[in-house]
Amino acid sequence: AQSVTQLGSHVSVSEGALVLLRCNYSSSVPPYLFWYVQYPNQGLQLLLKYTSAATLVKGINGFEAEFKKSETSFHLTKPSAHMSDAAEYFCAVRGSTSYDKVIFGPGTSLSVIP
Amino acid sequence: KAGVTQTPRYLIKTRGQQVTLSCSPISGHRSVSWYQQTPGQGLQFLFEYFSETQRNKGNFPGRFSGRQFSNSRSEMNVSTLELGDSALYLCASSLYVGADRDKGYTFGSGTRLTVV
Repeated sequence: AQSVTQLGSHVSVSEGALVLLRCNYSSSVPPYLFWYVQYPNQGLQLLLKYTSAATLVKGINGFEAEFKKSETSFHLTKPSAHMSDAAEYFCAVRGSTSYDKVIFGPGTSLSVIP
Repeated sequence: KAGVTQTPRYLIKTRGQQVTLSCSPISGHRSVSWYQQTPGQGLQFLFEYFSETQRNKGNFPGRFSGRQFSNSRSEMNVSTLELGDSALYLCASSLYVGADRDKGYTFGSGTRLTVV
């Protein structure tokens, strides 16, 4: 069975500092991996996805993530935090069969301090 | 291009009642998935529909049901509401099911259900 863990339910960074949000997955088959962002009172928006092409994936709003199979990780980074990055971030995994469902991690709330 | 539309946005119901939530996917999208989001449990998968057929189901009791119409619009129904059903219910659409689903979901803004 697939699962996702996100280390740190809440992360605070200063504006302009590096953002690092951690995600580790468990999957018995090569997975598809996603990062989503959720702003208050809104649905989730896809930031980026890994689909077995390049291991370094670039997404929207300056975010990127690196797939490391040996570490079963897919950490999200952004070189310089902006106030508008404050939101809830979810890592998600799905297996490669058509009947696999998307499993979401518990989420990490990112605060950006001016 | 219109996004995923969920109605209503907010709903207050009494224990024991039933409720129906609606989701209109992006035009051309044929797959609709439903998730329940709560502070304690996070995002929990309810079910997925593709071309009017339920393709996958999560671990929820039979009080939770859904369906999809020929125009891809989907509804979910919760009968005999319990206080624990209070949550944000999110609908997500995608173009296909299966391998092409790696393109990711487009989510609606959700329906906030409060059971009192």
